[in-house]
Amino acid sequence: QSVLTQPPSASGTPGQRVTISCSGTSSNIGSNTVNWYQQLPGTAPKLLIYANNQRPSGVPDRLSGSKSGTSASLAISGLQSEDEADYHCAAWDDSLNGWVFGGGTKLTVL
Amino acid sequence: QVQLQESGPGLVKPSETLSLTCTVSGGSISSNYWSWIRQPPGKGLEWIGYINYSGRTNYNPSLKSRVTISGDTSKNQFSLKLSSVTAADTAVYYCARQEFSSTWYNWYFDLWGRGTLVTVSS
Repeated sequence: QSVLTQPPSASGTPGQRVTISCSGTSSNIGSNTVNWYQQLPGTAPKLLIYANNQRPSGVPDRLSGSKSGTSASLAISGLQSEDEADYHCAAWDDSLNGWVFGGGTKLTVL
Repeated sequence: QVQLQESGPGLVKPSETLSLTCTVSGGSISSNYWSWIRQPPGKGLEWIGYINYSGRTNYNPSLKSRVTISGDTSKNQFSLKLSSVTAADTAVYYCARQEFSSTWYNWYFDLWGRGTLVTVSS
């Protein structure tokens, strides 16, 4: 059971916009920033979004992140087949004094 | 560029100790924070703990009694030991670098190793 809650799956057709939610509590998302990771099949996670809404160099601007209260969201617009992957949210938890992750969301491009 | 590579046995017997090493190339473990993260088959990610540039460690409370993370600056490696393993410890184990953005006052994992599958079975 993961500390952060994500839907197990999401889907969309090419060109669509999809969002993935991540729900936490006041000790993690409510007090700290959220990072998102993309994990392509059979590979290690890759940093996609940090500090709620910042994109590392090389990440396209059709990917965006947001945070409100104890929840965060990842939005992908102009969906492409190469976006098919697992997406994980993460935040520092002040009560646990450690990192917590969501269970991951498997995105399928139909 | 900085690269991380995990190494260690792929099979560990129940009740024994899992030992893995992460070798850092192109950078130094004397800077940054360095974490171990695992992912059971078909499941989400779980942070195990970190060691920082000065050797200070911090562990996931759920694993703290069984985990030791140590560093060897002469070899530019850091290691994980997880004792008294059970089948529930079967997972892909990743090592990762923790970076800090002073602009946004935010920590994140910016570099990951490829991961190594450790199976606990007799």
